[in-house]
Amino acid sequence: DGGITQSPKYLFRKEGQNVTLSCEQNLNHDAMYWYRQDPGQGLRLIYYSQIVNDFQKGDIAEGYSVSREKKESFPLTVTSAQKNPTAFYLCASSSGTRVYAGELFFGEGSRLTVL
Amino acid sequence: DQQVKQNSPSLSVQEGRISILNCDYTNSMFDYFLWYKKYPAEGPTFLISISSIKDKNEDGRFTVFLNKSAKHLSLHIVPSQPGDSAVYFCAATPGNQFYFGTGTSLTVIP
Repeated sequence: DGGITQSPKYLFRKEGQNVTLSCEQNLNHDAMYWYRQDPGQGLRLIYYSQIVNDFQKGDIAEGYSVSREKKESFPLTVTSAQKNPTAFYLCASSSGTRVYAGELFFGEGSRLTVL
Repeated sequence: DQQVKQNSPSLSVQEGRISILNCDYTNSMFDYFLWYKKYPAEGPTFLISISSIKDKNEDGRFTVFLNKSAKHLSLHIVPSQPGDSAVYFCAATPGNQFYFGTGTSLTVIP
């Protein structure tokens, strides 16, 4: 089945540690996104990538890093510089930069808790 | 600055009645609008969308209305069912990235 797979679903981290969240899609989508959801807030964009080896910062990119070495994969690293990393992280993809014919498809999410 | 706003954090509706969820936006460059449904600890799922060249789009029990002059869209669910209880997000895009509202939690009371 086509879709987006995020792993791990739950992750615990000690303060000061970096952690990488995995996102893989087999939808052959060009564009991929990382969002963060906090209670009472909408989905806020961290980073997005419209093509391999290229990515742009979203609204809350500080303390995060990404790579896009393959079309299928868009991992997100939460670094120790992120001051409040405990959140629900969502990866998404879409068929292109113009989305009249499509929409964002989301993974199941990863819950990161910093102890 | 929040470019997409959902001013009602929650809404309760009796089963069988109409649910109306509202969304306002500020960016006139938005040309495609979407509604997503989300259950706790899951990713959002796409419900319905509308292009800025239309003012209405219908899919079964779900209808989205767009008022460009007011920069307002709404999602109507008729009839509402208990399984519709979830958080609903509206989203908008000018083409390269998506902007989401803060969500409205809908409870359909049996």
